[in-house]
Amino acid sequence: EVQLVESGGGLVQPGGSLRLSCAVSGFTFSHFAMSWVRQAPGKGLEWVSSISGSGGGTSYADSMKGRFTISRDNSKNTLYLQMNSLRAGDTAVYYCAKGTGAITGFFDYWGQGTLVTVSS
Amino acid sequence: EIVLTQSPATLSLSPGERATLSCRASQSVSSYLAWYQQKPGQAPRLLIYDASNRATGIPARFSGSGSGTDFTLTISSLEPEDFAVYYCQQRFNWPPYTFGQGTKLEIK
Repeated sequence: EVQLVESGGGLVQPGGSLRLSCAVSGFTFSHFAMSWVRQAPGKGLEWVSSISGSGGGTSYADSMKGRFTISRDNSKNTLYLQMNSLRAGDTAVYYCAKGTGAITGFFDYWGQGTLVTVSS
Repeated sequence: EIVLTQSPATLSLSPGERATLSCRASQSVSSYLAWYQQKPGQAPRLLIYDASNRATGIPARFSGSGSGTDFTLTISSLEPEDFAVYYCQQRFNWPPYTFGQGTKLEIK
């Protein structure tokens, strides 16, 4: 059974940092791209970042470039998102999602999400 | 960036009725379009990928069609558990992956 479990969310002040983790099981982690997708309260889905199965390729939404860093540890079956210089507009539930391919693909499995609240 | 526009924003139907949801892309995405279902408090679930392929475990009442810029998700006969928000998403031209704004399917 495929499982994705996010952790690391919480309340942080504007300008602060947070590191999200996503522990996965039930599939060969290194064979698939992984992504972070967020959803602000009451709003739609917004793609944040993706990383290839090997970890050699990364991509970011423009509003996150330079502030967020996606990474993965294939030996630990874990995906990460380091978020710096956080703003109120980054408040959202952050989901990790498994890609259907090694480089790209749709998102066929999702975690339950972790809430990040940026507020003073 | 490819913009996906979903219509209608809200669709009010009764169980047993047929639902037709639309997603229009600002430029061609070939067949690289997916549909997701999201219920309150839950993560999205992949329903359809590559425009017309059902994901694992998705009931046959869900079907997708279209290519290029116009796509449709059809639910042939609504079950009570189908009332949710539906999103389309493209992976043809990325980054960024983009989602539509969603269609809320509500009980009439």
